[in-house]
Amino acid sequence: DTEVTQTPKHLVMGMTNKKSLKCEQHMGHRAMYWYKQKAKKPPELMFVYSYEKLSINESVPSRFSPECPNSSLLNLHLHALQPEDSALYLCASSQASAGEGQPQHFGDGTRLSIL
Amino acid sequence: GEDVEQSLFLSVREGDSSVINCTYTDSSSTYLYWYKQEPGAGLQLLTYIFSNMDMKQDQRLTVLLNKKDKHLSLRIADTQTGDSAIYFCAEDPLGGGYQKVTFGTGTKLQVIP
Repeated sequence: DTEVTQTPKHLVMGMTNKKSLKCEQHMGHRAMYWYKQKAKKPPELMFVYSYEKLSINESVPSRFSPECPNSSLLNLHLHALQPEDSALYLCASSQASAGEGQPQHFGDGTRLSIL
Repeated sequence: GEDVEQSLFLSVREGDSSVINCTYTDSSSTYLYWYKQEPGAGLQLLTYIFSNMDMKQDQRLTVLLNKKDKHLSLRIADTQTGDSAIYFCAEDPLGGGYQKVTFGTGTKLQVIP
């Protein structure tokens, strides 16, 4: 069982819809991450939150909007997505202390399909 | 970012050992991770090693690190059909209050019964 929980597991949406992906962890981690993964490819980093503040935005289009309401929750708001945004979206969390090398723990992802 | 390279595919017979290789590029102190991804699932952390170590063993898994050649390998002893998955190595240079990990290209391991 994964310690990072993502909902929903699957999402189908039209290009004009607005939806949100949710991620939750209760490991006390203060760094949380969103990744996008295409089939047979490694995950690509989208956003990093550290202590509930956005630390990295990897030049992600504004149709993806992250939110970190508290230290346990991470959301990804979706609006006006394109067919090429169809992918597996992975959430991860880790300790946020430099130099400790604590690995990231991943959820099982949300499989997103854009019609 | 730097490239982390892996061979794309490996096929082994059940009961044999598997060796998955990875070449990384960062020359500074770094953590190196191995993740397993089964179909339809997220990434499961298998093991990790710091760059001042040469080897780490954890049950059926052995990680070997050659710092001179920047080469990392994961050996799975007595490979089982449940080990069939994609394996990613990942590099994490130290620094910052979070990690900016570079993932390898992934190796698909096929275990033949």
